[in-house]
This record gives sequence, structure tokens and C-alpha cells, in this order.
Amino acid sequence: IQMTQSPSLLSASVGDRVTLSCKAGQNINNYLAWYQQKLGEAPKLLIYNANSLQTGIPSRFSGSGSGTDYTLTISSLQPEDVATYFCQQYNSWWTFGGGTKLELK
Amino acid sequence: QVQLQQSGAELAKPGSSVKISCKASGYTFTSYDISWIKQTTGQGLEYIGYINTGSGGTYYNEKFKGKATLTVDKSSSTAFMQLSSLTPEDTAVYYCARDGGWFAYWGQGTLVTVSS
Repeated sequence: IQMTQSPSLLSASVGDRVTLSCKAGQNINNYLAWYQQKLGEAPKLLIYNANSLQTGIPSRFSGSGSGTDYTLTISSLQPEDVATYFCQQYNSWWTFGGGTKLELK
Repeated sequence: QVQLQQSGAELAKPGSSVKISCKASGYTFTSYDISWIKQTTGQGLEYIGYINTGSGGTYYNEKFKGKATLTVDKSSSTAFMQLSSLTPEDTAVYYCARDGGWFAYWGQGTLVTVSS
């Protein structure tokens, strides 16, 4: 299943509400995870099952969506949120999106 | 706490093989599958396959059949991935990860560089 993320690059200011999108090639039944990856580090799980917050992740991160369209929202962008974000489906085997790089404006 | 500790960076020549290890700690090793994931700048994240750490059963992404071989040593709680017939296109960071749907735990990654 192909996963398409948009935009590929996003610039935002501290305090902004940020929305990242992920579109699946077919219905993935909410079997979607979001990861944050900082430079030189392994990906870190943020959200699973489309909207469940992983333990220890700040509540400013949230996930939503259904069917083929999913969204990761950061309610108030913090400097430490600068990273690349990936979505991943596990409805049918496993595939990742191409990522959205989030930078500070 | 759950930890996955991978072996160090590898520099390999085209046509050779490398074997990467992933040592697990902080949980019952045979209770969870170990997956392997490739990351390159151009191709992003690609799922390679997984091994059932209890039975040794494996699944491979079609693209990596014949390229990757997954094994496990239960006595040392370690999973291995051998990459064979290396080409420059195999240059990447390789991660092991635990859990079968989403991946809550990742190794730190192993950089494999293929160059003559």
C-alpha cells in the first residue's frame, strides 16, 4: 500500500498549530502510526492506531483520520519539535510515507 | 527497560556480505517478533522483513528476498540480519525494531557503506 505525505517540507513558527497529512493508496482501517525522527536518531513512535498517543509523548501531539486520509497535529509548535515525521501503515504488511520535514520559520 | 542494541558501522566491498546484530534486553525475547527496516536518503524507510523469535519463522518483503537473511540466537537474545551480494544501492542505515504493527522500540541503527 503506497503512503503519500504532504507537504514534504513545512516551515512554521513557535506556537503555531501544525498539520501534517498522510494519504494511503487504499483503506487502511486506522492501522496507522506516526513517528518523529531527529537527525542522527532512530524514529520515535508518537501515535498508533491513528489516534492513540504513545506513553510519554506530549499531549500537544494528536492524530486523526479514517479510511485513506490521516493527519498528525501539533497544537502549539515547540523548538524541540523540529524533525522529520513519517507515517506508517500496518493494515497490509508494512509501508512508510516519504516524510515531512518540519523546520522553524 | 526495553533496549535493542545494534552492532557497529560496517564498510564492505561490492559483492561481499555483512551480518548485523540486534541484542535485546529488558523483556522476554521470544515474546515479540523483530523487524528490520532500511533507511536511505533517496528511498526513505523500507520494510525488509521480520523474524518470529520463538519459532525462527521469517517473512520477507519481496524486494529483499535473496538480499537479506534473518536469523536469531535465543540463547543470547540476539537477532541477526545478513545482507549478501552487496552493491552501492545497499548503502543505508539499517534498524531493528520490536512489535508487530507499530514499532515502539528501535535499535540505534547500523550504517552499512558499500564501496570499493
